[in-house]
Amino acid sequence: QLVLTQSPSASASLGASVTLTCTLSTGHNNYAIAWHQQQPEKGPRYLLKIDTDGSHTRGDGIPDRFSGSSSGAERYLTISSLQSEDEADYYCQTWDTGIWVFGGGTKLTVL
Amino acid sequence: EVRLVETGGGLIQPGGSLRLSCAASGFSVSTNYMGWVRQAPGKGLEWVSLFYGATITYYADSVKGRFTISRDNSKNTLDLQMNSLRAEDTAVYYCARVYNSYYMDVWGKGTTVTVSS
Repeated sequence: QLVLTQSPSASASLGASVTLTCTLSTGHNNYAIAWHQQQPEKGPRYLLKIDTDGSHTRGDGIPDRFSGSSSGAERYLTISSLQSEDEADYYCQTWDTGIWVFGGGTKLTVL
Repeated sequence: EVRLVETGGGLIQPGGSLRLSCAASGFSVSTNYMGWVRQAPGKGLEWVSLFYGATITYYADSVKGRFTISRDNSKNTLDLQMNSLRAEDTAVYYCARVYNSYYMDVWGKGTTVTVSS
């Protein structure tokens, strides 16, 4: 079964960097994923896609402070130079034939 | 500007029906994969349904047989007909463009559906 696992919460200081992790279920470590951001009381926003080789493709207007990487079954979202508006929920998402799956989300607090 | 605007949400009694609509601008729904994603209060995102090609549709198990996704190319809209609604269908429903059937790359702001007596 295709499942994405995320830590429920993370925190980092203003101006620092933080890396969020999304783990693919066993047998699915060759899947690409996408990361989405949801700021409080807003709809989600596509950030970037990460391929299995770690290459990533940002959405339109997404600053290069947001980057992605990959290792085995883990997919990472790194946010550098944290700003207050980065405080949000972050969801990873993947797909297979006929199904689209989201991770449970990570709530990022900017201290 | 690429934009999606959902309408049609509201308060409905259990067992009732509701039809959501999503108006697209800046691109054509007829040449893109389009879907619905929902978010129950305080919960994460859950994929609901997807439409692509001329007639291909997919549904999450939780809504299969109760929800129907459709597309109106002339109006450039995507609809979701929701029947036999349950309390657990209460959520904000988001319309999304799905890039190449892979990931959601454009999102609407959502419309709220509340199923309660």
